[in-house]
Amino acid sequence: SQQGEEDPQALSIQEGENATMNCSYKTSINNLQWYRQNSGRGLVHLILIRSNEREKHSGRLRVTLDTSKKSSSLLITASRAADTASYFCATDAKSGAGSYQLTFGKGTKLSVIP
Amino acid sequence: DAGVIQSPRHEVTEMGQEVTLRCKPISGHNSLFWYRQTMMRGLELLIYFNNNVPIDDSGMPEDRFSAKMPNASFSTLKIQPSEPRDSAVYFCASSFLARTGGDHYGYTFGSGTRLTVV
Repeated sequence: SQQGEEDPQALSIQEGENATMNCSYKTSINNLQWYRQNSGRGLVHLILIRSNEREKHSGRLRVTLDTSKKSSSLLITASRAADTASYFCATDAKSGAGSYQLTFGKGTKLSVIP
Repeated sequence: DAGVIQSPRHEVTEMGQEVTLRCKPISGHNSLFWYRQTMMRGLELLIYFNNNVPIDDSGMPEDRFSAKMPNASFSTLKIQPSEPRDSAVYFCASSFLARTGGDHYGYTFGSGTRLTVV
């Protein structure tokens, strides 16, 4: 079952603009991670934020986490055409079977127009 | 490190045939995951191994699917018999879990196997 749900499903912006993607989830989490997937390729880990953290930065990426609202956002500043990809949030949480595992949302497809 | 290695990259097979997908996790990782990705359902976790033991297989769609991890460096996902609705990209991922409830460190995906069942 889907734990994380990204919003919007698709986003198209001009190069140089900022891109913001949101993720909502349902249960308590250990941490939340963002991944990127280029068309036809595997997923690449971008950033991890723990449940006791509120904000994290990595280069042009900024991630926020609000555990009271069960939501996270990924901001990509000064976007480039090379940022065109699908972005997924994944929550590390206890599953129904009792194990901790990553569950992915369906992703946001970002298109950056040169 | 070569990363998570999956084979084959592409597989086209006829309905009813047996399909075996292979995965070599990153050396030193103790957790391995099989995912299936489709346009309709997104990325679904099929099964999760920790220290070669299946921990959660609740995502395995039906009895036609089976997965094994005979040792720390190899896992297989088998579909027998295959059906057209099994067509998808199958990803393997590995990580290191220091303790139950802790973070999965170094979570890394393979490049995937694109399976087409005709």
